[in-house]
Amino acid sequence: GEEVAQTPKHLVRGEGQKAKLYCAPIKGHSYVFWYQQVLKNEFKFLISFQNENVFDETGMPKERFSAKCLPNSPCSLEIQATKLEDSAVYFCASSQFSGSSYNEQFFGPGTRLTVL
Amino acid sequence: GQQVMQIPQYQHVQEGEDFTTYCNSSTTLSNIQWYKQRPGGHPVFLIQLVKSGEVKKQKRLTFQFGEAKKNSSLHITATQTTDVGTYFCAGMDTGRRALTFGSGTRLQVQP
Repeated sequence: GEEVAQTPKHLVRGEGQKAKLYCAPIKGHSYVFWYQQVLKNEFKFLISFQNENVFDETGMPKERFSAKCLPNSPCSLEIQATKLEDSAVYFCASSQFSGSSYNEQFFGPGTRLTVL
Repeated sequence: GQQVMQIPQYQHVQEGEDFTTYCNSSTTLSNIQWYKQRPGGHPVFLIQLVKSGEVKKQKRLTFQFGEAKKNSSLHITATQTTDVGTYFCAGMDTGRRALTFGSGTRLQVQP
């Protein structure tokens, strides 16, 4: 498709519960990124993939967060044992790089996670 | 790690007035991108600057990349109500693909 799709739109979890978010990148885009936007509007990079391989996971709190991008499946971001501070909007973005040219990132509509 | 500061945090202007937001990185960037996010929406790409000293224009918007590739600015001439939103700069380090976002400047335009 021509747009990045994210599901669900909203997700409510009790503290300690698991949350799983999905992202379908634009067809033909080889890079996928996950960002977390907290209430103050600040974006935090979590993880990126080049096709199905992890490219950069320096932003991921690995003890509770995991992510996958498997062939022929939507990418996923999973949070085990959610905490109150995980409440945020999670954006997925995809991009295509050609040669040495870094292209724009196309963002999905986001998933708003509320942890109660 | 890389940090990107953006000022001001918020600006309220009368329709027709000009607006500028400034971005400063703690490290030299390979490129800088600008995004606009409407309230409740997602970031939408505006432009990418790659070369030192680069200036690009899109209608009423003018984007600049500093000579040292550590700072950038976005200037909007004669704002309109459709310009309302939060403008983010986002820098990219050499070798990485992820963006480091500035804190954003929220623009409010009074008709």
